[in-house]
Amino acid sequence: SQQGEEDPQALSIQEGENATMNCSYKTSINNLQWYRQNSGRGLVHLILIRSNEREKHSGRLRVTLDTSKKSSSLLITASRAADTASYFCATVAGYSGAGSYQLTFGKGTKLSVIP
Amino acid sequence: GAGVSQSPSNKVTEKGKDVELRCDPISGHTALYWYRQSLGQGLEFLIYFQGNSAPDKSGLPSDRFSAERTGGSVSTLTIQRTQQEDSAVYLCASSLAPNTEAFFGQGTRLTVV
Repeated sequence: SQQGEEDPQALSIQEGENATMNCSYKTSINNLQWYRQNSGRGLVHLILIRSNEREKHSGRLRVTLDTSKKSSSLLITASRAADTASYFCATVAGYSGAGSYQLTFGKGTKLSVIP
Repeated sequence: GAGVSQSPSNKVTEKGKDVELRCDPISGHTALYWYRQSLGQGLEFLIYFQGNSAPDKSGLPSDRFSAERTGGSVSTLTIQRTQQEDSAVYLCASSLAPNTEAFFGQGTRLTVV
């Protein structure tokens, strides 16, 4: 079953605008990660936020995590045409000692940045 | 190695045939994941290997699917008696340790005709 669910499913913005994508999940997590996928092949890791963190930055990316609401958001500031891709959140469940740190993905948000 | 390597990059097979997909993880990575992605969809978890522990096979969709990881390195995903619904991109990823970022290969696009 898929743990994370991204919202919206698709987003189209003008270059220079900010893009915000949201992710909700169902069970307790160890950490939450965001990935980008271009042209339906390999994914690239963007950022990891642990369950005891609330906000993290990396360049033009800002990720927030609200464990009480079981949600996360990814903000891309000053978007560029090259940011056009699908973005996925993925969660690692909070299994300690159970042996499996399954990384579970949502269905993704397809972002289009128009030049 | 430079990254996660998967082979072949594309595979066309006839319905009913068996296929083997290979994944070479980054050297030293203890965790290895297999996922399946249908066109325009999210990633469906298949199986997870961690060191010498028993693999988490909870995502395998049927007993036609199996995977092994030899010597804690290379992994092979085998699909027996392929069906048309098995057509998808099969992605492999590895990570240095549990709970860390995963590095993905470019995937194998499997088409069953």
